[in-house]
Amino acid sequence: GESVGLHLPTLSVQEGDNSIINCAYSNSASDYFIWYKQESGKGPQFIIDIRSNMDKRQGQRVTVLLNKTVKHLSLQIAATQPGDSAVYFCAENTVGYSTLTFGKGTMLLVSP
Amino acid sequence: SAVISQKPSRDICQRGTSLTIQCQVDSQVTMMFWYRQQPGQSLTLIATANQGSEATYESGFVIDKFPISRPNLTFSTLTVSNMSPEDSSIYLCSVSDGTSGSYQYFGPGTRLTVT
Repeated sequence: GESVGLHLPTLSVQEGDNSIINCAYSNSASDYFIWYKQESGKGPQFIIDIRSNMDKRQGQRVTVLLNKTVKHLSLQIAATQPGDSAVYFCAENTVGYSTLTFGKGTMLLVSP
Repeated sequence: SAVISQKPSRDICQRGTSLTIQCQVDSQVTMMFWYRQQPGQSLTLIATANQGSEATYESGFVIDKFPISRPNLTFSTLTVSNMSPEDSSIYLCSVSDGTSGSYQYFGPGTRLTVT
């Protein structure tokens, strides 16, 4: 399929490693944050979300950390698998608005 | 979660022509959105498709270039008018159940190449 990650920063890891993908946001009024995974040739897929009244949320193999002081968001993937290879986007939402603003994205490449 | 389909999945069009992209959802949804994703780039919101009224466009996007319809709560169309090679992108439809504080589900996208 066609790649959407031609010009994106890339993180390369070995299978089984833990991966950390970072995102900086600019709007201090943002209060809801989402991580999406986009595989080649597909639309973005929801992974995990977090609201601004939390600083950590865990899912299955994934953890999102939110640092509102420095406006930073990270996605941690435990025991990374080849199927995790994709482009990952953070998105932010501001209270009272229905729209999302997407970050630039990071391509994750997992080697067997 | 909502299941979203888009037609066509891809197309190659000549400059100066127009293409209408359809987005169908398997359940009624409150909000529908259209995004553009240029090669190697992130997603940029084009507009919010409002049921029964004119779409709300983001800065840099205008109705004459990207007319949008939303006749009901499960269907929307985006037309890319008078196309140029710069319009070559992936166009994505998304939906959500609420207003603020709701994540969006995305369709598979339509890959448009303008020659």
